[in-house]
Amino acid sequence: GESVGLHLPTLSVQEGDNSIINCAYSNSASDYFIWYKQESGKGPQFIIDIRSNMDKRQGQRVTVLLNKTVKHLSLQIAATQPGDSAVYFCAERENAGNMLTFGGGTRLMVKP
Amino acid sequence: ETGVTQSPTHLIKTRGQQVTLRCSSQSGHNTVSWYQQALGQGPQFIFQYYREEENGRGNFPPRFSGLQFPNYSSELNVNALELDDSALYLCASSGTGVETQYFGPGTRLLVL
Repeated sequence: GESVGLHLPTLSVQEGDNSIINCAYSNSASDYFIWYKQESGKGPQFIIDIRSNMDKRQGQRVTVLLNKTVKHLSLQIAATQPGDSAVYFCAERENAGNMLTFGGGTRLMVKP
Repeated sequence: ETGVTQSPTHLIKTRGQQVTLRCSSQSGHNTVSWYQQALGQGPQFIFQYYREEENGRGNFPPRFSGLQFPNYSSELNVNALELDDSALYLCASSGTGVETQYFGPGTRLLVL
């Protein structure tokens, strides 16, 4: 995920539809990936994580897919709700290291 | 709520001054990581503290320093503040067997 400065990519969806947010990561040595949700004025909130030995993981209304071949991560949100409106960040961690590297974020807007 | 707390919530300083930000980790977590988030961008790793020692550092100059205390709370100190230090400063806690990093609400620093 490249930073796009002040102009975040925006995904606009209708309430009740499914949302798919994509992220391209950079480091083939990354072994752990996390999706965070950040609402205005708040810190990032953990949504779901996945290790590199998996290609899919499901949570409540959310699914993360990992494609290591093309270094791509996606977050699927089922039946999107107005409360899902926020900026979503993917983050990667290199091989049991200690730092998370964040992508530039995607703004999700849910229309009622 | 993650149980990670930060203080103060907002701070205004002038260029050249020094600032100390504080973080209390979630109960049972022994690791604190600090991140800087500029407006419209993803968080960037500053450093991590584990058992009162620095355990990894990102691409930040030495004027960014930190401490961790026996109760695992942590401080971030920034000397000789520059205008570009204006950002949201986030701390995240994790622990042995808990690799997910849980973020606090952040401290918004404005340098004039």
